[in-house]
Amino acid sequence: GAGVSQSPRYKVAKRGQDVALRCDPISGHVSLFWYQQALGQGPEFLTYFQNEAQLDKSGLPSDRFFAERPEGSVSTLKIQRTQQEDSAVYLCASSLGAGYDQPQHFGDGTRLSIL
Amino acid sequence: AQSVAQPEDQVNVAEGNPLTVKCTYSVSGNPYLFWYVQYPNRGLQFLLKYITGDNLVKGSYGFEAEFNKSQTSFHLKKPSALVSDSALYFCAVRDGGATNKLIFGTGTLLAVQP
Repeated sequence: GAGVSQSPRYKVAKRGQDVALRCDPISGHVSLFWYQQALGQGPEFLTYFQNEAQLDKSGLPSDRFFAERPEGSVSTLKIQRTQQEDSAVYLCASSLGAGYDQPQHFGDGTRLSIL
Repeated sequence: AQSVAQPEDQVNVAEGNPLTVKCTYSVSGNPYLFWYVQYPNRGLQFLLKYITGDNLVKGSYGFEAEFNKSQTSFHLKKPSALVSDSALYFCAVRDGGATNKLIFGTGTLLAVQP
């Protein structure tokens, strides 16, 4: 497809389970971002990849959160031992280059609900 | 630290009237500003950006934004609102570090009445 694709769109998990969220960026896009959007709030930065290198993970809330992009395209955000406060929409975005003027293109997100 | 503020939780406007959604920013260095729109259960769609140059920036779907350095504002505008413009609008500023991450405001819900 032409846009950023995220799967699954919805995920329900029990507290304590591990989850994995997938992001397929726009083909050829160098930069990939993950954001967390709580209900009624703006997105908040989690982590950033330039190709396969994770250059910034300063926004990850705890060591239960882990992200990877091993081949510089598809990325996975993993959350271990989920907690109720992890419930949110997780948005992936990509941009063509690494320049400061590049707009980020967002996927439709994965809505994660922890019971 | 970079930040943006959207002072209005909701803006109501009648179809056909001009609309303004407000945003103010606080940055160290040059401001790189963006507007995004979010429809229900969808991701954010890029509308426009200010990097440098003309203070009036034109974007998608007839939207434009006015950059005002002295007032540290970047208000989103449209001359004639459509019912289909009803959505959540986010202002964002590029963080000052090397990763180009965006710092978002809390969003403004635009409601256009027929």
